[in-house]
Amino acid sequence: KQEVTQIPAALSVPEGENLVLNCSFTDSAIYNLQWFRQDPGKGLTSLLLIQSSQREQTSGRLNASLDKSSGRSTLYIAASQPGDSATYLCAVDNTDKLIFGTGTRLQVFP
Amino acid sequence: NAGVTQTPKFQVLKTGQSMTLQCAQDMNHEYMSWYRQDPGMGLRLIHYSVGAGITDQGEVPNGYNVSRSTTEDFPLRLLSAAPSQTSVYFCASRGGPVKAGYTFGSGTRLTVV
Repeated sequence: KQEVTQIPAALSVPEGENLVLNCSFTDSAIYNLQWFRQDPGKGLTSLLLIQSSQREQTSGRLNASLDKSSGRSTLYIAASQPGDSATYLCAVDNTDKLIFGTGTRLQVFP
Repeated sequence: NAGVTQTPKFQVLKTGQSMTLQCAQDMNHEYMSWYRQDPGMGLRLIHYSVGAGITDQGEVPNGYNVSRSTTEDFPLRLLSAAPSQTSVYFCASRGGPVKAGYTFGSGTRLTVV
């Protein structure tokens, strides 16, 4: 059974720091991995999608990498801002079933 | 382009009542699914559909029914609501093959008293 783990569970940092959020999964037979952002009381916003044949994807200050063989993905946030405060969710696609980690709650203070 | 639309946004039910959570997408996506989100449990798959007329169970299907009569709509029915079904429910769709990403609705917050 696929299991997805995210570390750390919570993170509080001052503005301007570069951050690394970690995601690990137990079954490497995935089709893709998707990172989402969720603000309190809101829905999920897709940040980056990495297909199984890719190693990384970039969007603005965000960069996500994927190492299928080791079952790991990292989300790198450059020059963090208070507006980045949210919960970040990692999910792997296992044949029509998106399996989620429990998220990393990020707070960036001024 | 509205994406994935869920209604209602909030609902309070009494134990034993039934209701339908609505989900509609205007992107002509074949795949649609329902998740529930609970504190400490993350998002868990309830039911999913790979196309009109086809549905299948996810991780936590008990107490819920679905049907898919059109490509656009994928309603979730609670037959007899229980307090354990208090949760936030999200509908998602995916376009194209399995390598495409998922789009989520804004959620329905359901409380069963």
